Formats: sequence, structure tokens, C-alpha cells
Amino acid sequence: EPEVTQTPSHQVTQMGQEVILRCVPISNHLYFYWYRQILGQKVEFLVSFYNNEISEKSEIFDDQFSVERPDGSNFTLKIRSTKLEDSAMYFCASRGQSTFFGPGTRLTVL
Amino acid sequence: DAKTTQPNSMESNEEEPVHLPCNHSTISGTDYIHWYRQLPSQGPEYVIHGLTSNVNNRMASLAIAEDRKSSTLILHRATLRDAAVYYCIQNSYSGGGADGLTFGKGTHLIIQP
Repeated sequence: EPEVTQTPSHQVTQMGQEVILRCVPISNHLYFYWYRQILGQKVEFLVSFYNNEISEKSEIFDDQFSVERPDGSNFTLKIRSTKLEDSAMYFCASRGQSTFFGPGTRLTVL
Repeated sequence: DAKTTQPNSMESNEEEPVHLPCNHSTISGTDYIHWYRQLPSQGPEYVIHGLTSNVNNRMASLAIAEDRKSSTLILHRATLRDAAVYYCIQNSYSGGGADGLTFGKGTHLIIQP
């Protein structure tokens, strides 16, 4: 069964550093998403991406964040200068008939 | 904010049916009801979705009230692996739409052996 994959599973970084989280969506899906979940809190929508551009973004998705589909298979989330409050699980998702989520990347900012 | 309301937690016994309720009193004619679940330390997992008619799949059944202001997710025979947080989400596209899904706190389902 096709699935969304994410790498790395865990990323530890220092505050102020740039991180790139990677995702491989399901191959025939056209909509891609990033969500985050701070420990003990709700899953929060960050951004949706369609036809090589951002479709919608939440107020969380500020100028520190960017997304890219660099090569037709990968979908990345970049955080330019990480803050302590960026520590969270980050989930990639892609949509066909339904929305499927990846296993997540746990980002820890020290 | 989430447009649906669900009980914070429910408890059931293994091998018994589970009925998880959800209220969505502000639902519009084009809104679908989606159910996802999140097992511990995992990403959300699609369970089922529907518009007006009751729906069945290999995981669960979805019963939608005639006025569409509430729905019930039915797990026919719960197993310990069904212990998870279950989210009921109201969204205007059948697959979630470009605007993403709005998760609430969901219902924490506890299964007793």
C-alpha cells in the first residue's frame, strides 16, 4: 500500500540554525501539506501546496518557513532560523481520495 | 478553531462495539465529515468520511444523522490496537481540500482487555 514517508524521524538542532524536513508524498497525489503537533497539543495545519505553489497557509507559517517541491518526488519544509517553540512533531500529508499522513519528524530545538 | 465537538474520552471493552459521537451543528450542505485517528507516537490515520449517507469500510462505519448535525463512528469489534485519539473533522472537500484539515482535541478512546 502506498504511503507518505518522512526523513529524518528525529532532528535535533540548535536555536537559530536552519533545518530542512523532507517528505515523499504518495506518487499520484496532487495536494501536499505540512502540519505540526507540539507535545500534548492539537495537530495544527501549516501549509498546503498544489501545482508548485502554496495554496493556503496558516498564521503559524510565517516568513521563517518555506516549502518546496524540488524534484517532482520530494516535498520539503525549511525553517530558516529555528526557535525553541518550533520544537514539535511535523507531519507531511498528501491527498488523493483521502488525506494520508506520514509518520512525522520530531524536531527538537535546543 | 474546530467546528465539531466530541467527548474528551471514552472507555470500552475489547471485542465490543464502540460508538464515538460527534456534533457538527454548523455544518453546511457541502461539508463532509471526516474521521481520523492518531495512535500514540504516530501520525493521523484516515478512518472514514461521508456526506449524507451512512458509509462502511474495512475499518469502521459512519452513521450520519438525517439533519447532518451529528454523526457516530462505529467500531464494530474493538481491539487493543484501536486505542487512539479519534478526530471528527468537518471540511468542505471530500478529500480534505487545499485548505487543510482543522483538528480539535478529539476523543481519547481507551480499550480495556
